[in-house]
Amino acid sequence: NAGVTQTPKFRILKIGQSMTLQCTQDMNHNYMYWYRQDPGMGLKLIYYSVGAGITDKGEVPNGYNVSRSTTEDFPLRLELAAPSQTSVYFCASSHGQGAITYNSPLHFGNGTRLTVT
Amino acid sequence: GENVGLHLPTLSVQEGDNSIINCAYSNSASDYFIWYKQESGKGPQFIIDIRSNMDKRQGQRVTVLLNKTVKHLSLQIAATQPGDSAVYFCAENLGASGYGGSQGNLIFGKGTKLSVKP
Repeated sequence: NAGVTQTPKFRILKIGQSMTLQCTQDMNHNYMYWYRQDPGMGLKLIYYSVGAGITDKGEVPNGYNVSRSTTEDFPLRLELAAPSQTSVYFCASSHGQGAITYNSPLHFGNGTRLTVT
Repeated sequence: GENVGLHLPTLSVQEGDNSIINCAYSNSASDYFIWYKQESGKGPQFIIDIRSNMDKRQGQRVTVLLNKTVKHLSLQIAATQPGDSAVYFCAENLGASGYGGSQGNLIFGKGTKLSVKP
């Protein structure tokens, strides 16, 4: 299994541009998440999904959108990029009831480093 | 500690020594805790987890200790190796008290950088 795959690895955007960060997993996990990680800070949850067709806001959803048309894919969309969205973005998935199920921790991709100038 | 802004606390150990990384969590209602390892340029990798009804759990070369009285979690790494060099951070699950229901309620700490000297 490849696990969680994120593309692209790096991207530079100008203010106001849009882009989609791709995330796919081949573990047949129902639960998927998007986090952002700022330097020296803990991961912050942007959006999550408990299954195909269902998405919910996390702690910092403003400026982002997601969709979950299949179990495998969970793309994150930035419509109008702003400098505050400069960050490293991590997609994750889990098998059981998300993080609250013992022995069902999150599996992370290797991240997308985004710079908005 | 957990509130150091841009600069992560750093633990430097000699190869072969034991390492202890500490984490203070915030919510007394948290019922599940996880330790992650993050190497440079990679995503976090699960190490070990523990539920609040336990105070100790052991894995391969790693032990997690939970002290609910003082809301403290620690990760012990035995016989630390150069490959253990990474940022380690803990996460707590807020359970039903968190936002958005039961899903995605992990709160991550900022991390501690472990540096292993050969």
